[in-house]
Amino acid sequence: DAKTTQPNSMESNEEEPVHLPCNHSTISGTDYIHWYRQLPSQGPEYVIHGLTSNVNNRMASLAIAEDRKSSTLILHRATLRDAAVYYCILSNAGKSTFGDGTTLTVKP
Amino acid sequence: EAQVTQNPRYLITVTGKKLTVTCSQNMNHEYMSWYRQDPGLGLRQIYYSMNVEVTDKGDVPEGYKVSRKEKRNFPLILESPSPNQTSLYFCASSLLRGEQFFGPGTRLTVL
Repeated sequence: DAKTTQPNSMESNEEEPVHLPCNHSTISGTDYIHWYRQLPSQGPEYVIHGLTSNVNNRMASLAIAEDRKSSTLILHRATLRDAAVYYCILSNAGKSTFGDGTTLTVKP
Repeated sequence: EAQVTQNPRYLITVTGKKLTVTCSQNMNHEYMSWYRQDPGLGLRQIYYSMNVEVTDKGDVPEGYKVSRKEKRNFPLILESPSPNQTSLYFCASSLLRGEQFFGPGTRLTVL
């Protein structure tokens, strides 16, 4: 099964961009790359997803490497409310594999 | 309001006493999943369902059963709970390849 690898923690200053990396070297051709974030005592919240091309939405951008073995979630201007655990997930026809996540700390 | 509901939210039980955690979604989603989350770890998928009467094992299915008799409901059944099943459980639903909507979680303690 495909697995994802993320750094345990990252720090950012408020209003600066944040780049959260994820390695998924065993990704298959039909795996979608999803990102979720989780606040304490809450269920995960969807952030963004993509297959091959880079994606943008109101929350973030997703940059996918050409070989699809890695991806980067980009928060353009971190706010204190963005402090959370961010999970990179591979998803294929209902089967989803979570990594251990990156704890993002945002400093004012 | 579009949502995924789980019941109960908190449950303390004893080893071997069968229990069911219910999950219901009102978004007409085909896909539903159950996950468990242990302290300091990410979510691990227990079972998932692609539609009514279609279920498959996730990464950690041992000790759990599921059923999908109706599109909106996906109960998780622990026939004989053990202390190592003490965990936080999340149900989720989605359209094919779409974002997953997660329920609020069920905190289960097995003594």
